Amino acid sequence: EVQLVESGGGLVQPGGSLRLSCEVSGFTLGSYWMHWVRQPPGKGLVWVSRINSDGSSTSYADSVKGRFTISRDNAKNTLYLQMNSLRAEDTAVYYCGRLDVPCGGDCWGQGTLVTVSS
Amino acid sequence: QTVVTQEPSVTVSPGGTVTLTCASSTGTVTDGNYANWLQQKPGQAPRALIYSTTNRHSWTPARISGSLLGGKATLTLSGVQPEDEAEYYCLLYYGRLQPWVFGGGTKLTVL
Repeated sequence: EVQLVESGGGLVQPGGSLRLSCEVSGFTLGSYWMHWVRQPPGKGLVWVSRINSDGSSTSYADSVKGRFTISRDNAKNTLYLQMNSLRAEDTAVYYCGRLDVPCGGDCWGQGTLVTVSS
Repeated sequence: QTVVTQEPSVTVSPGGTVTLTCASSTGTVTDGNYANWLQQKPGQAPRALIYSTTNRHSWTPARISGSLLGGKATLTLSGVQPEDEAEYYCLLYYGRLQPWVFGGGTKLTVL
């Protein structure tokens, strides 16, 4: 069974840092490019970042460039999102997943909530 | 700043057919934009329906289809059922540096 399980969310003060994890099972992480998207409370989905299969290439939305870093450990079947210099507008549910491929199961995880507030 | 535009809300009767559209501020949407469509119900994670413009995932019913029409990506739902009531998001690809942009979503009401 394909599963993607995000963790690491929580309450953090403005300017703080968090690292999100996405542990996958049921498929070979190293075979796929992976993505993070987010959804602010009551709003739509926003694409955040992507990483290629071996981690050698990454891309970011302008809103997080220079503050967020996507990475992966294929041996541990885990994707990461390091978030620094967090702002109130980063408050959202963060989802990890696969885009534009047949997923053979869930493409997206259930999400983890990040709240940036003092 | 690239903007992807969807209808904010659409209403359809049960058993009817509805087409949702996805337009790009850069111009005509093509196969090179690899349109993806996701469905999201309240309180749930998004669920992928269509990838690369026309391809269904294994769980996507045949009555749901994706295509290009009139310079836009489209998602057509036929024989609409009450469980189709949801928010639908399109997602377009724009290249290596800032690859993907979501539309604002269309709230589909089945009434």
